[in-house]
Parts: sequence; structure tokens; C-alpha cells
Amino acid sequence: GQQLNQSPQSMFIQEGEDVSMNCTSSSIFNTWLWYKQDPGEGPVLLIALYKAGELTSNGRLTAQFGITRKDSFLNISASIPSDVGIYFCAGSGAGSYQLTFGKGTKLSVIP
Amino acid sequence: DGGITQSPKYLFRKEGQNVTLSCEQNLNHDAMYWYRQDPGQGLRLIYYSQIVNDFQKGDIAEGYSVSREKKESFPLTVTSAQKNPTAFYLCASSPEGRGKNYGYTFGSGTRLTVV
Repeated sequence: GQQLNQSPQSMFIQEGEDVSMNCTSSSIFNTWLWYKQDPGEGPVLLIALYKAGELTSNGRLTAQFGITRKDSFLNISASIPSDVGIYFCAGSGAGSYQLTFGKGTKLSVIP
Repeated sequence: DGGITQSPKYLFRKEGQNVTLSCEQNLNHDAMYWYRQDPGQGLRLIYYSQIVNDFQKGDIAEGYSVSREKKESFPLTVTSAQKNPTAFYLCASSPEGRGKNYGYTFGSGTRLTVV
């Protein structure tokens, strides 16, 4: 089946720093999604991407759909304490509504 | 407001007892999913359903059962056959057949502790 490799697994950063994380798929995806999970809650959708090369922002967050269609990237600029949580990438192939999830990147922000 | 509701938020059960986790959505979504989350393990799919009265096993279905008698509801039963049931359980729903994949809407989770 499809597999997603998400990296890094965890990050410790200083408040104010920028953050980058990425996901790589073993197969081509038509949709890439990025979710954030706050501690003790369910994941919430941050950004959805539908075209190769697409770059989409949501406040301080920017995500990109890789041109190979097998990867995606999420950047967070000027991190703040409330950015703490687990970030998941997810994707689906052509004609599919079922998502494959990465294992998540756990972000810790040091004030 | 439309959404997906899981209850209860916290659940404690004795070993050997079956327990049922509730998941209700009023988003008119076709598909519903159950995931299990353990620390460092990501989201593991237990069961999913794309239509009423039909459901499919996910990657870790052993020791779990589900039903989908109504479009809005997808309860999960953790049976005594599940060897290590203590975990955080997440329910999700999604629309299908509407062009783009808009992703899943998740509930706020149920933390099950078996003592």
C-alpha cells in the first residue's frame, strides 16, 4: 500500500524561529493535506493542496505540493508557543477520497 | 453548527469488559473512520464505512467491531479480545463524490484507559 515518510519525527525550537517539515510518498498523490493536532484533541485541517507546484499560505504557515507529486512541505515562520502540537501530512491518489497519513512531526517551542 | 462529536472524552473500564465509543456527525458526510493513536505511532486505521450498513476493516481491526445503521452514527466497540485497548481513539468523517478531496473532519477523541 501507499506509504508516507514524514520528517523530522520531532523538533525542539526556540520561539521566533522558522520551522520546516516534509513528507515523501512512495506513489503519486493528487491531493496533499496538512493537519495540526493540539494535545488531547483531534487533528484540524490547516492547508489543502491540489496541484503540483502549488504554494498555499495560511497565516504564518506555508505549504507546497512538490512538482514530482510525491512530496509536500510545510513551513512555519516566526514560531510561537501555541504552535506546539503534532503536525500530520496526508495524501490521496487519483479518484480516491481515502487518506494516507504520515506518522506526524511533534513540535515543541521553547519560550 | 455542523460537526462531529465523540463521547465520552474519558473512559475507564475494567479488563475483560466490552466498551462502546460513540461518534455522531451532522455534516451529511458519507464516509466515517475510526483511528487509534498511541504515543509515537501516528494514526492507525481500525475500521471505515463509506455507506450505511457497510464497513471495511482497516489495518488493526482485530478486537474491535463497528456498526453503521445510520449515516450520522458510527459507534466503535472495543471488545475483551483487544489485547492492549488503552489508547486515544479518534473518529473522522468525510464527504465523497464531490470532486476534490476535502479531507477528513475529526472528532475531539476519546481516551480509553483499561485498568
